[in-house]
Amino acid sequence: AAGVIQSPRHLIKEKRETATLKCYPIPRHDTVYWYQQGPGQDPQFLISFYEKMQSDKGSIPDRFSAQQFSDYHSELNMSSLELGDSALYFCASSFRDRGLEQYFGPGTRLTVT
Amino acid sequence: GENVEQHPSTLSVQEGDSAVIKCTYSDSASNYFPWYKQELGKGPQLIIDIRSNVGEKKDQRIAVTLNKTAKHFSLHITETQPEDSAVYFCAATLYSGAGSYQLTFGKGTKLSVIP
Repeated sequence: AAGVIQSPRHLIKEKRETATLKCYPIPRHDTVYWYQQGPGQDPQFLISFYEKMQSDKGSIPDRFSAQQFSDYHSELNMSSLELGDSALYFCASSFRDRGLEQYFGPGTRLTVT
Repeated sequence: GENVEQHPSTLSVQEGDSAVIKCTYSDSASNYFPWYKQELGKGPQLIIDIRSNVGEKKDQRIAVTLNKTAKHFSLHITETQPEDSAVYFCAATLYSGAGSYQLTFGKGTKLSVIP
């Protein structure tokens, strides 16, 4: 079965640079969630989109923005990167009619140096 | 907002023994409780879930129980195998509007199955 695709899988950036993470949800899934997971921590909800509209916002810094496109893929844009932004970033997707089940992608490991 | 507590943080069992992980949640409006297994360097994998109108659910060696009154739910793994070794996260789900369901995770349990 098709899964959530994230790219890139690894990304190294310097402080104050910009990064863009991409997420391709499972086909027919219309809701995308972004999570940040620090080392040894649980995933923290950042933001979600349903049918290309932002539906909920969690602990996402103002330096970060995201959007969902017409093909339902989503991008997380991160600017003015800080050392503390180093983490695993996961995208999860769900289908409205079964909206409770979220399926996670493999993640993007971002390292800020 | 929702708060989920998970215990224990680490658990070591002998192969073939059972493992139990317990979670509590704070918001009585939460209505869906998934469990995720995360192996090193991978994304969380949904292994079993339970909805608020059900008290128990089983899938082969894995079972989950829910006590809504006590706001408590547990994961039970029987006949553990080395490949069960991973970090397990419980979560509680609140509907946050516009088709979005926000997951709040517990801090995770690192399960080690000793051959």
